[in-house]
Amino acid sequence: EPEVTQTPSHQVTQMGQEVILRCVPISNHLYFYWYRQILGQKVEFLVSFYNNEISEKSEIFDDQFSVERPDGSNFTLKIRSTKLEDSAMYFCASSVRGTMNTEAFFGQGTRLTVV
Amino acid sequence: GENVGLHLPTLSVQEGDNSIINCAYSNSASDYFIWYKQESGKGPQFIIDIRSNMDKRQGQRVTVLLNKTVKHLSLQIAATQPGDSAVYFCAGPDKLIFGTGTRLQVFP
Repeated sequence: EPEVTQTPSHQVTQMGQEVILRCVPISNHLYFYWYRQILGQKVEFLVSFYNNEISEKSEIFDDQFSVERPDGSNFTLKIRSTKLEDSAMYFCASSVRGTMNTEAFFGQGTRLTVV
Repeated sequence: GENVGLHLPTLSVQEGDNSIINCAYSNSASDYFIWYKQESGKGPQFIIDIRSNMDKRQGQRVTVLLNKTVKHLSLQIAATQPGDSAVYFCAGPDKLIFGTGTRLQVFP
């Protein structure tokens, strides 16, 4: 069964360092998303990506964040200068169509710990 | 904008009983909802969805009810099993906005 895969599963980084979280969406999907979940809190939307550009982003997705689809398979989230409050689970998701009337498939997440 | 939230943070049920998890939404124009299950350390997993032209939809051991009048939906799990223990989220159609989640605990 096709699935969204994320690497690494756990990333520890020092405050101020850059991190890149990687995702391989399901191959025939066209819409890609990043979400984060701070421990014990709800899942929060960060950004959606379609046709090689950001289609929507939340207030959380400030200038420290960027996304890229460098090739035909990977979808990355970069945090330029990590802060302690960036510590969270980051989930990548993909869907065949946009979020309207379709389910999104989630990866297992990357736990980012900023120390 | 959409605001999807849950009434109860934790629900404890005995194995074999039925579970009902509730969710409220604020945007009456919302026309599609999804229930996700999130087990510890994993990403959300699709359970069932419902469109606004339906009041009820059934899956395997799960039923979702949608009451558009009061902007409320519920997830019913029949014969709850230990493997059902997880956090359950309802999500709206726009950017899959998630509610806080309800933790379902199943005890023997």
